[in-house]
Amino acid sequence: ETGVTQTPRHLVMGMTNKKSLKCEQHLGHNAMYWYKQSAKKPLELMFVYSLEERVENNSVPSRFSPECPNSSHLFLHLHTLQPEDSALYLCASSQEPNEQFFGPGTRLTVL
Amino acid sequence: GQQVMQIPQYQHVQEGEDFTTYCNSSTTLSNIQWYKQRPGGHPVFLIQLVKSGEVKKQKRLTFQFGEAKKNSSLHITATQTTDVGTYFCPYNQGGKLIFGQGTELSVKP
Repeated sequence: ETGVTQTPRHLVMGMTNKKSLKCEQHLGHNAMYWYKQSAKKPLELMFVYSLEERVENNSVPSRFSPECPNSSHLFLHLHTLQPEDSALYLCASSQEPNEQFFGPGTRLTVL
Repeated sequence: GQQVMQIPQYQHVQEGEDFTTYCNSSTTLSNIQWYKQRPGGHPVFLIQLVKSGEVKKQKRLTFQFGEAKKNSSLHITATQTTDVGTYFCPYNQGGKLIFGQGTELSVKP
């Protein structure tokens, strides 16, 4: 266990559904991240929150909406997704500028 | 812009053989980190290198940072089946970690 938990671990949703991914870190870190990992592609950084403020938004479509209510929790709200959004969504945290600790990920399938 | 290339993309070895993966940057790096991701798992931090010419060891793993801080390598001595996975060397760019394709290692028992 790395101290970063993610729920759910697996999610299947239709293109018209709305769902949320949750990430929680128990490490007292000051930064949290969302990554997307598609098959045979590098990890893509989606969002960065530092001290609960969003500092990075890598041209991610608006159908992905992050939320960081406090330094321990991070959400990714999903709506009107496309099949190509199916991927492993990884959350990570760090005490900047040190190494990142990843959660186990949510395997998302969009039908 | 800055680019870090990792080679090889895939490596298949017989158990007991050595393995090396290389990361080469077009520009000087402030530091470099190494991560391992097992099949079906998530990336796990292995080490961070900061100093020019730095060499660090973790059991059978040896990490090096080049003198010019433009390249790094990970060498595994006498691979075991537990070494299977993808090894990444993301670099730090403005506080962000930029991941490449990594090197996927498979080990035949």
